[in-house]
Amino acid sequence: DQQVKQNSPSLSVQEGRISILNCDYTNSMFDYFLWYKKYPAEGPTFLISISSIKDKNEDGRFTVFLNKSAKHLSLHIVPSQPGDSAVYFCAASEGGGGADGLTFGKGTHLIIQP
Amino acid sequence: SAVISQKPSRDICQRGTSLTIQCQVDSQVTMMFWYRQQPGQSLTLIATANQGSEATYESGFVIDKFPISRPNLTFSTLTVSNMSPEDSSIYLCSVGLADTQYFGPGTRLTVL
Repeated sequence: DQQVKQNSPSLSVQEGRISILNCDYTNSMFDYFLWYKKYPAEGPTFLISISSIKDKNEDGRFTVFLNKSAKHLSLHIVPSQPGDSAVYFCAASEGGGGADGLTFGKGTHLIIQP
Repeated sequence: SAVISQKPSRDICQRGTSLTIQCQVDSQVTMMFWYRQQPGQSLTLIATANQGSEATYESGFVIDKFPISRPNLTFSTLTVSNMSPEDSSIYLCSVGLADTQYFGPGTRLTVL
């Protein structure tokens, strides 16, 4: 049973507009959530994270929102740029992002159209 | 963050053979992890490798198939033993620093 779900395999967004990537989880024990970006033939690159005690975390063009009651989080990228085209993975942990293994979603392929 | 390298970057192997993947970090870290990404799938945790103790394996992964070494705080190896085509995947190591994990570039393994 998949504990972290990214229901949109792909998303196409115009350059300069907002990209919103969604992620749902089922395990109530998850207390830390991370987003990674992955280009082909490279390892995942850490983007941004959020602890379960917060509902928003912002870093430059990237903002992550967490709705614990709905077990839902989203990553907002604004404005979207061509270099943002990649696969984005949502990941979750029960023991902090660095001390415990991560459970990943299947990823969303974001395509930024010029 | 951390700079992580993996060797080899890719390999093509015959079934029944074994391959050892190396993971090197540019700083001392306590927590290291090994993941697998099968074609079209997400990343799946294989095991947690702690220095000075045996690796902790996730459900569905066993030490005989995926033996792991962690001789010091900057290095780990994962061996894929007695390979079959189903082992064709990208294998990635990661390190835990504070509340974040940083990943190596991955090893793309193809088993014929």
